[in-house]
Amino acid sequence: GAVVSQHPSWVICKSGTSVKIECRSLDFQATTMFWYRQFPKQSLMLMATSNEGSKATYEQGVEKDKFLINHASLTLSTLTVTSAHPEDSSFYICSAADQGPSYEQYFGPGTRLTVT
Amino acid sequence: GQQVMQIPQYQHVQEGEDFTTYCNSSTTLSNIQWYKQRPGGHPVFLIQLVKSGEVKKQKRLTFQFGEAKKNSSLHITATQTTDVGTYFCAGSSGTYKYIFGTGTRLKVLA
Repeated sequence: GAVVSQHPSWVICKSGTSVKIECRSLDFQATTMFWYRQFPKQSLMLMATSNEGSKATYEQGVEKDKFLINHASLTLSTLTVTSAHPEDSSFYICSAADQGPSYEQYFGPGTRLTVT
Repeated sequence: GQQVMQIPQYQHVQEGEDFTTYCNSSTTLSNIQWYKQRPGGHPVFLIQLVKSGEVKKQKRLTFQFGEAKKNSSLHITATQTTDVGTYFCAGSSGTYKYIFGTGTRLKVLA
């Protein structure tokens, strides 16, 4: 099956610094990737849709200047959390969409961000 | 905006008992997907339902899409300890974007 990787798997950073998270589709090309945020024991909250070669589409309430998304190639999307604060601490998961009829999403293993 | 709720939030069952989770959308859906997330893991795609009233089976799992395409259910027959995890439905209103339900966390007691 399709494999999506994320790097890093966990990161601790100081308040005010920026953190970049990478999402890669390893064995297929993904024109569309999604970024989610998941709080402990809660659902996945869609943050934005990342489209290769164009600007990301952000969900209502998600600050585009704080969560910068770049989808520079068909296999790589990045999420940069700028000027991170403790309330940004969360589990961030990306997914890449299958272009077939099921439009199934293949999820990465997630990145645990802790801002101190 | 679109909301997708699931009930129950938690369910503990004895191994061998059946389990059902229900998914309800505030809007009519184009299609619905189901995912399973094991503790500490990431969501894994289970199935997609597209047609009104559709029923699909995968071994002990039965998925149903409501006639009005606003609700769905997942039923597991004779649960096993390997069924432990959180089950999410995710609905689409016709775009490539899916809104995830609140999830149902299943615990199976041996």
